[in-house]
Amino acid sequence: ETGVTQTPRHLVMGMTNKKSLKCEQHLGHNAMYWYKQSAKKPLELMFVYNFKEQTENNSVPSRFSPECPNSSHLFLHLHTLQPEDSALYLCASSQDDQARNEQFFGPGTRLTVL
Amino acid sequence: AQSVTQPDIHITVSEGASLELRCNYSYGATPYLFWYVQSPGQGLQLLLKYFSGDTLVQGIKGFEAEFKRSQSSFNLRKPSVHWSDAAEYFCAVGFNKLVFGAGTILRVKS
Repeated sequence: ETGVTQTPRHLVMGMTNKKSLKCEQHLGHNAMYWYKQSAKKPLELMFVYNFKEQTENNSVPSRFSPECPNSSHLFLHLHTLQPEDSALYLCASSQDDQARNEQFFGPGTRLTVL
Repeated sequence: AQSVTQPDIHITVSEGASLELRCNYSYGATPYLFWYVQSPGQGLQLLLKYFSGDTLVQGIKGFEAEFKRSQSSFNLRKPSVHWSDAAEYFCAVGFNKLVFGAGTILRVKS
């Protein structure tokens, strides 16, 4: 595997379920990101990790819980989500969390909350 | 307030025609500037970036962008569009963190 991979690619869950999204990067990067992409809205940065430390939490509701066990892996734990949380969730990585660095994106997880 | 604007939500061009996608920003100084492309079912891919120097930047897939300080713009151009260029294009700007524009969906008609 190369680049940034995300699993699952599609996820349907009820509002009472608990699920996790996984992201893995094979680029040797030190920063990883979660973005939310909703229809007709700009890409929303959710969380940033740099060298496994969270450096950005963009006022994300606590029903989204990120985890970064090492620089190659990033998780987004989901619980008691709302229908408006349905979106494409994109993971990205870069050399570090400075804005000048190119971000490499995974294909995303399409989440539907029923 | 710092912001990035892509005025066009949709653009349709004929195959072989030229293309210009607009991006305007509002920052106190010149931020880092990027253009990304997202094909259906895929993540975003970097087309080109500008930090300083020559204001005309060449990117991948035959794209270029011109930075104009006086207009706070960083417009993306391509001389001749191919059907495979149909995708969504995002301008992104920032100093400490990137802010993405709302995107422009490009449709190519044959």
